[in-house]
Amino acid sequence: AQSVTQLDSHVSVSEGTPVLLRCNYSSSYSPSLFWYVQHPNKGLQLLLKYTSAATLVKGINGFEAEFKKSETSFHLTKPSAHMSDAAEYFCAVSAFTGGGNKLTFGTGTQLKVEL
Amino acid sequence: GAGVSQSPRYKVAKRGQDVALRCDPISGHVSLFWYQQALGQGPEFLTYFQNEAQLDKSGLPSDRFFAERPEGSVSTLKIQRTQQEDSAVYLCASSPSGDARLAEKYEQYFGPGTRLTVT
Repeated sequence: AQSVTQLDSHVSVSEGTPVLLRCNYSSSYSPSLFWYVQHPNKGLQLLLKYTSAATLVKGINGFEAEFKKSETSFHLTKPSAHMSDAAEYFCAVSAFTGGGNKLTFGTGTQLKVEL
Repeated sequence: GAGVSQSPRYKVAKRGQDVALRCDPISGHVSLFWYQQALGQGPEFLTYFQNEAQLDKSGLPSDRFFAERPEGSVSTLKIQRTQQEDSAVYLCASSPSGDARLAEKYEQYFGPGTRLTVT
């Protein structure tokens, strides 16, 4: 079984300061890991994904994440937060399902960016 | 190009009513997924289609939930005799891949969701 744990339900940062959103995973085999962002009343948008290539993954809007197998972590970071980054962020792990790859999501981290 | 669309965007149903939620995936996408997102939670997998074949329905919470994709494109999620616990946002996602060896490498594109409120 696959699962992810997002360690913080809410994170608040000041604009221009670094962002760290934490995610730990559990997987019975080599996982594929994803970060999605969800703005209010909008669908989920993929920020980045790890699929057993480079462990440091760069995504859109300046976000990146590092896969650390020894720590079973896939934390999301950004050097400098922008007001437009305020949203809910979901970490997810994929598992095969008859040929597809269903996603198992964490409970989400609400990011607040203050002036 | 057009993304995944869902209709209606909002649905209010009285307890006991049947509802049908529609998903129009990106044209040509082989895989289609339904997820349920309760308030304050992450999305949870409901069911998966590869073309018209429903290959996994392990996440459907009860036999009141039924999904179909008869022509391998548009999909409908039907909930019979709705209950208050069915209130959630129902998300549809599509992906171009139907190849198990490559599936994990393809992004799932999500629609905006249908917010179902059962009163």
